[in-house]
Parts: sequence; structure tokens; C-alpha cells
Amino acid sequence: EDQVTQSPEALRLQEGESSSLNCSYTVSGLRGLFWYRQDPGKGPEFLFTLYSAGEEKEKERLKATLTKKESFLHITAPKPEDSATYLCAVQAPNPASGGSYIPTFGRGTSLIVHP
Amino acid sequence: DAGVIQSPRHEVTEMGQEVTLRCKPISGHDYLFWYRQTMMRGLELLIYFNNNVPIDDSGMPEDRFSAKMPNASFSTLKIQPSEPRDSAVYFCASSDPQGAGYTFGSGTRLTVV
Repeated sequence: EDQVTQSPEALRLQEGESSSLNCSYTVSGLRGLFWYRQDPGKGPEFLFTLYSAGEEKEKERLKATLTKKESFLHITAPKPEDSATYLCAVQAPNPASGGSYIPTFGRGTSLIVHP
Repeated sequence: DAGVIQSPRHEVTEMGQEVTLRCKPISGHDYLFWYRQTMMRGLELLIYFNNNVPIDDSGMPEDRFSAKMPNASFSTLKIQPSEPRDSAVYFCASSDPQGAGYTFGSGTRLTVV
């Protein structure tokens, strides 16, 4: 059973067309939720950490929000350089590893922004 | 800081050969993680260390995989013998004690033929 589900798997937008990516989670005792950006051939790059429902973080055209069940990454007026895979990870006690708080990653959303 | 440094960037090897991947974490980060990324399974945690000590290796797929961290600035992930299904991108990441956000290396793309 997946603890972290991201949707859609892929998203194509026109430049300037705003949209949102979703990350839903089923863990208990959430300690933190992370968003990362991954460009082809590179490692994930940290964007945001959210800790509690209602919290919001912004960076340029990106805004991340958090509820008790999901997080959204809103992209306002995207540009082609925003094209990347966006990964979500949740940090919660993991029974499979003795209750450690190592984040579990979702499969990501591949975003392509056309000029 | 140069970030997390991994080597080699690409590795092509024949089935049955030993493969060693290397990682230098960010200075001052006392957590180090090894991940594997494939199209089928996404990003999977293999093992992590805290202050050079392996804490959880439950993600290591088989005994063919082993990891060491002899000091705070170096870690290795070894596969012996390698198999075609080990082909993937292997990432190393490090974080500070707060773990607020990991810093990943650029990865090693491993191809086993």
C-alpha cells in the first residue's frame, strides 16, 4: 500500500497556464512533507518543507500548501524552465524500519511547459 | 560547499563483476543516505547512516549489496556480483541532524550488461 501518491503522473502545460500538482498521503504522525524538483540526469533538488496543516511556502512561481491528507504544489504562470519532475516525500514514523523518520518518496509528477 | 559528490557519474559493467559507488557528503552533515531510482519503483531508500554508523539497511535488496562509511566524509555502496536488474541510478544524499531537507548528489547511472 502506497503511503504517498502523486497525481497526475504527467502534466503538459502551455507557458502561462497555471495548474496544481497533488501529493496525497496516508501516514500517521506526519512530521514533515517535502517537495523536490528533479531535472533529467540530476539528483532531486530541495524546494520546500511543510510541517503542519494550513502552512504555505512560496518560491518564485511555486507555492506549496498542506492539509491533513494532502499537499498541493501550485505553479503560477509557468515558464519552460519549470519543466522537471516534482517529487513529494513524507516524513513520519516508519514501522518497517523501527519507527525511524526517514522520508518516503512518491513517484513524482513529470511537468512539461511548452513555450 | 561543493555539495554531495558522487563518483563515477556513469558505470557500465558486465554481469558478475563487482561495482563500487562512492559518495562524499556535505561537511557537517551527520546523516548519509543511499537511494536507488528506477522507472518502475521510483526512489527507494537502500540504507542510511548516522555519524558513520549504519542505522537501517532494510532497503538493501540482497546480500550482494553492502555499504560502508569509514569516516564522516566518505561512503561506498558495493554490489558483488552485479546483475542486469541492478541497472538504475544510485543517489547519495546527506542531511543535518534536523533533517529538514536532504541534499542529493548527481547520481551514478549504473548499467549492468
